[in-house]
Amino acid sequence: GQQLNQSPQSMFIQEGEDVSMNCTSSSIFNTWLWYKQDPGEGPVLLIALYKAGELTSNGRLTAQFGITRKDSFLNISASIPSDVGIYFCAGLPPDSNYQLIWGAGTKLIIKP
Amino acid sequence: NAGVTQTPKFQVLKTGQSMTLQCAQDMNHNSMYWYRQDPGMGLRLIYYSASEGTTDKGEVPNGYNVSRLNKREFSLRLESAAPSQTSVYFCASSRTGNTEAFFGQGTRLTVV
Repeated sequence: GQQLNQSPQSMFIQEGEDVSMNCTSSSIFNTWLWYKQDPGEGPVLLIALYKAGELTSNGRLTAQFGITRKDSFLNISASIPSDVGIYFCAGLPPDSNYQLIWGAGTKLIIKP
Repeated sequence: NAGVTQTPKFQVLKTGQSMTLQCAQDMNHNSMYWYRQDPGMGLRLIYYSASEGTTDKGEVPNGYNVSRLNKREFSLRLESAAPSQTSVYFCASSRTGNTEAFFGQGTRLTVV
């Protein structure tokens, strides 16, 4: 089946640093979604992307829908302690309206 | 704003026992989903309901059944629990299939 490769698996950063993570696939997607999950909680939607090339911001977060439709990235600028958590990408294939394909997550840890 | 509410939050079952996980949403969403989340694997779709009165299998349906009781409620049943079903289960809903999903807080299930 289709897979999403999300990288890096984890990141150790200093507060104030910028963060970049991405998801890639060998297949195309019609929609890319970026979620954040805090410990003990369900994922919360950060950004939704619906068109190839689309660049969307949500505060310090910026995400882009790759022009090939096979990748997406998420950037976080000037990280703060509450950015800690697991970030997931999810893609919606052209042949499905309901079955999102999920990346394995990027765990963000801020070094004290 | 309750959003998506799941019960119970924690459950321990013995192998072979049955139980039903409950989910309700108050956002008047048409589509609802059940996912499981295992360490390092992202989320995997168990079943979904595109609209009231319909249900379909997702990526990992074996060992589970679902009921879309009405537009608000979507339950997941384990008829004979197995240790391999130890996981965190998330219910989610979306306005339609190709729009962003909102998640509940999860049910942490352990089968011993």
